[in-house]
Amino acid sequence: EVQLVESGGGLIQPGGSLRLSCAASGFTVSSNYMSWVRQAPGKGLEWVSVIYSGGSTYYADSVKGRFTISRDNSKNTLYLQMNSLRAEDTAVYYCARVQGPGGSLDYWGQGTLVTVSS
Amino acid sequence: SYVLTQPPSVSVAPGKTARITCGGNNIGSKSVHWYQQKPGQAPVLVIYYDSDRPSGIPERFSGSNSGNTATLTISRVEAGDEADYYCQVWDSSSVVFGGGTKLTVL
Repeated sequence: EVQLVESGGGLIQPGGSLRLSCAASGFTVSSNYMSWVRQAPGKGLEWVSVIYSGGSTYYADSVKGRFTISRDNSKNTLYLQMNSLRAEDTAVYYCARVQGPGGSLDYWGQGTLVTVSS
Repeated sequence: SYVLTQPPSVSVAPGKTARITCGGNNIGSKSVHWYQQKPGQAPVLVIYYDSDRPSGIPERFSGSNSGNTATLTISRVEAGDEADYYCQVWDSSSVVFGGGTKLTVL
């Protein structure tokens, strides 16, 4: 059974850093495209980043240069390093498996809440 | 960047058919995926590659895509279908979501 479990969210001051983790089971992270998607309170879904099976990474303009997506193959875990956090980064962050090039996000984690506030 | 436009809300009576549209420039040339999200829950894939249904999704859910509009159709709507629905495509190496449509079952 495919499962994704996010962790690492919390309250952080503006300008701070946080690393989110997404532990996967039932499949191999490194063999799949993996993505992060966020949802601000009361708002819609916003794509954040993707990492391809080959290792290429891509980011939304809103986080480019501040966030870094990575994975640890030995732990079968996806990460999102978030630096220089802003109030507008406050959201529930979901990790999701991608079906492949042009594919859907077929499995999602339950999400972890990041609150950026002083 | 590519923009997907969804109506903010759609209302339908139980047992009727709901149609949720997703507009985009020549969207018919792209693969469209649809997600259902209920309050406090993660999104769930309901339609992929325009019209395919994942296992466990009722046959009442169907999709189409042509020209500048993709459509998610929910037949014989039930109270449990009340949720937010999002369309999604890829634009180059980026994922694009529509703004979401709140489906209200009257």
